[in-house]
This record gives sequence, C-alpha cells and structure tokens, in this order.
Amino acid sequence: RKEVEQDPGPFNVPEGATVAFNCTYSNSASQSFFWYRQDCRKEPKLLMSVYSSGNEDGRFTAQLNRASQYISLLIRDSKLSDSATYLCVVLPYTGNQFYFGTGTSLTVIP
Amino acid sequence: NAGVTQTPKFQVLKTGQSMTLQCAQDMNHNSMYWYRQDPGMGLRLIYYSASEGTTDKGEVPNGYNVSRLNKREFSLRLESAAPSQTSVYFCASSEATGSANTEAFFGQGTRLTVV
Repeated sequence: RKEVEQDPGPFNVPEGATVAFNCTYSNSASQSFFWYRQDCRKEPKLLMSVYSSGNEDGRFTAQLNRASQYISLLIRDSKLSDSATYLCVVLPYTGNQFYFGTGTSLTVIP
Repeated sequence: NAGVTQTPKFQVLKTGQSMTLQCAQDMNHNSMYWYRQDPGMGLRLIYYSASEGTTDKGEVPNGYNVSRLNKREFSLRLESAAPSQTSVYFCASSEATGSANTEAFFGQGTRLTVV
C-alpha cells in the first residue's frame, strides 16, 4: 500500500467554483502534513501546512482527520491561477523522509 | 535568497555515460534529498542525507550514488546512465525531519534525458 494516496483527477472546474481534494495516509505515526502546489514543469512549493485543528489561508482551508488518516484541501472561489497539481505530503514522526502523493490535477476554466 | 540551487537544468546523455547533478542550499538546513519525478509516479526518493556526513537509500537508489560534500552541498551521480533514468530530478532540503512542521524546499529541477 502506498504511504500517501490521492485521487489524480483531473478536476476541471469553472471559475468561482469550490473544489475539494482528499488524501489518505497509511502511517498512523505521522507527524506533519502539508499541501504543496506544483505548476507545470516547475518545482513543488509549499501551499500550506496542515494543523490538527484545521487551518485557513485566504481561500484555502486544510483539515486533518487523524482517526481516519486523511487530509483535505478546500479551495473556494477558484481562480484561473489556481490551475496546478496539488501534492499531499506526510512526514512521519520517526522517519527521515517526506512522503508525497502522486498529485491531483486542477484546471480552472474561464 | 537563492534557497536550493540545482545544476544543470537540462541534460541529454547517451546510454552508459556518467554525470553528476549538483545541489546546494543556503538555508543552513541539516537534511537534504534527491527525488525523481515521473509521470503518474509522483516524487520518489532516491537518497537522502539527514545530516552532514550521513547518507541513506530511499525508495529507488539503484543506479545512483550520492555525496554529502558539506552541509550545503549534496550531489547525485549516475555512473552509467540508462534510458530508465530519464526523468526530472529534484533536490530538496529541510531544517530537520525530526522537527514538527518542517517543510521541504525544492530546487528548480534537472530534466535529464538518456538516449
């Protein structure tokens, strides 16, 4: 079983729509959680960390459910510039490496 | 701030040739990583270095070697390139994987084609 699993999509949504991505992880002893954004042919960049209590950054809301071992990302009022691949990332307590999901592709359509 | 710098950005190799991908970070990070990214596979860890002087294998280490030259630099070497090593390679660094909420910072990537 993969450490981190994501629905690859693609998600094609109109501007202004709300879209949600989910991600599941297999290692219950995971410490830190992140959402990264990767634009075509570019390096991944941190979008936001995911905290146990959930957190919001503008139009983006991240949530963590440790009991069910999943992470979610909600994007409200989608913009054309949100088109990218979103990577779910998990860091175990005892591991020395980050585990990446394969990414979920989002295209926001005018 | 430069962050994580990788060279070269593009490279074409013939099968059997060797090359070294260079990576340097200026954030005083302890941990450094080499990933490869292939379509549909996501980022897969090749090797990592938790601290200066240590290196460990990741998920896909075969055909690669690494050197943690000092705290700043972590190089990846392909001794005898194969077409299966055609990929995009990313170097990354982080403060320390034992720290809560430490994030990974990535270089711009190296697009390698082996013909």
